Amino acid sequence: DAGITQSPRHKVTETGTPVTLRCHQTENHRYMYWYRQDPGHGLRLIHYSYGVKDTDKGEVSDGYSVSRSKTEDFLLTLESATSSQTSVYFCAIRADSTSTDTQYFGPGTRLTVL
Amino acid sequence: ILNVEQSPQSLHVQEGDSTNFTCSFPSSNFYALHWYRWETAKSPEALFVMTLNGDEKKKGRISATLNTKEGYSYLYIKGSQPEDSATYLCALYYYGQNFVFGPGTRLSVLP
Repeated sequence: DAGITQSPRHKVTETGTPVTLRCHQTENHRYMYWYRQDPGHGLRLIHYSYGVKDTDKGEVSDGYSVSRSKTEDFLLTLESATSSQTSVYFCAIRADSTSTDTQYFGPGTRLTVL
Repeated sequence: ILNVEQSPQSLHVQEGDSTNFTCSFPSSNFYALHWYRWETAKSPEALFVMTLNGDEKKKGRISATLNTKEGYSYLYIKGSQPEDSATYLCALYYYGQNFVFGPGTRLSVLP
């Protein structure tokens, strides 16, 4: 199994509070991704990183920010959580950007915003 | 955002039955199609990567085909077993974009 961990694994928070999710990898892969998974939508890309301090937006980036200060860590921040951000969040890593290179997923973080 | 569709949304089969489902996608600027298997309470795991029209891949009882000209891929499971129960995701990689995932097909194999 690829060495990917996510923390926390579960979190319940209130509307308006800031939340940070962490993805940590031990594979030294260059590319890291944050997805959210909602019923009927599969996985949707929030943000991704193609190197330290290099990040870009995905399909559903509004309300989220990211940071990558080290190769191994990719942080997802909800500046002011809303109920619509209740979801399961998955981190993924990939060694390079070729179309055939596989993504490896972390175990997921279940976030509930009350 | 490109639209990737999967059908059916869910299906139930009896143990021993063979089954198949479809991933449909826009065929222009296509680079690669990835199939993932996603068991409940676990993370998606890669099954196949296909790039060429007519590609066929096989892993045990599971196989997949790709038609890039008409924009679809089939995933086949021969002699389904309860441990095949999972959601099967396809993800397309297009030029200038990251992966676009379909909504998945949830398979339940009844003993």
